[in-house]
Amino acid sequence: AQSVSQHNHHVILSEAASLELGCNYSYGGTVNLFWYVQYPGQHLQLLLKYFSGDPLVKGIKGFEAEFIKSKFSFNLRKPSVQWSDTAEYFCAVKRNTGKLIFGQGTTLQVKP
Amino acid sequence: NAGVMQNPRHLVRRRGQEARLRCSPMKGHSHVYWYRQLPEEGLKFMVYLQKENIIDESGMPKERFSAEFPKEGPSILRIQQVVRGDSAAYFCASSPPSDGSSYEQYFGPGTRLTVT
Repeated sequence: AQSVSQHNHHVILSEAASLELGCNYSYGGTVNLFWYVQYPGQHLQLLLKYFSGDPLVKGIKGFEAEFIKSKFSFNLRKPSVQWSDTAEYFCAVKRNTGKLIFGQGTTLQVKP
Repeated sequence: NAGVMQNPRHLVRRRGQEARLRCSPMKGHSHVYWYRQLPEEGLKFMVYLQKENIIDESGMPKERFSAEFPKEGPSILRIQQVVRGDSAAYFCASSPPSDGSSYEQYFGPGTRLTVT
């Protein structure tokens, strides 16, 4: 079945460590890709998105993601995490009518 | 500009009762999406509406669930005869008319439904 997969369900890092969260999708053709973040007690916010052009996308708060078409991947990265990055992260693919298909989410815990 | 608003934030219903969840999109947004997040799972698409029209309801359960977005007023997600398995967080998102690369869905804070 077509889907979005996030490999890491729970990640624990120390501050200043580097972060990479995996996201793979199984849809063919043109894809629009997103990473959303949900901080504790808050609603989902957009971190970054890819529609076309440069496959390396820069988002807010120092996050970036790389679209690799041949690998059907859109991994999220941050060189040095902070305690305030503790949150749940969702990868999503936009489908034909505009609906978003989400991965199951990755909980990131950053230890001070 | 107020964000997407949802109410109530928390809703408790007994089995067999009806649940009504409301969503007011951002000003100027005419597209509304509903998603459900079950415990330990990601968000699942339910339905996509524009004013007075259901565009895509491919994620809606076939029975007991309905949604509307009237010409005036908020979008309503209605669940009849709730069961324990309906306990979840229900999120609404809105977007402006599609404008290509600027497309983004803005999410509300969600309604946490608990069925006892």
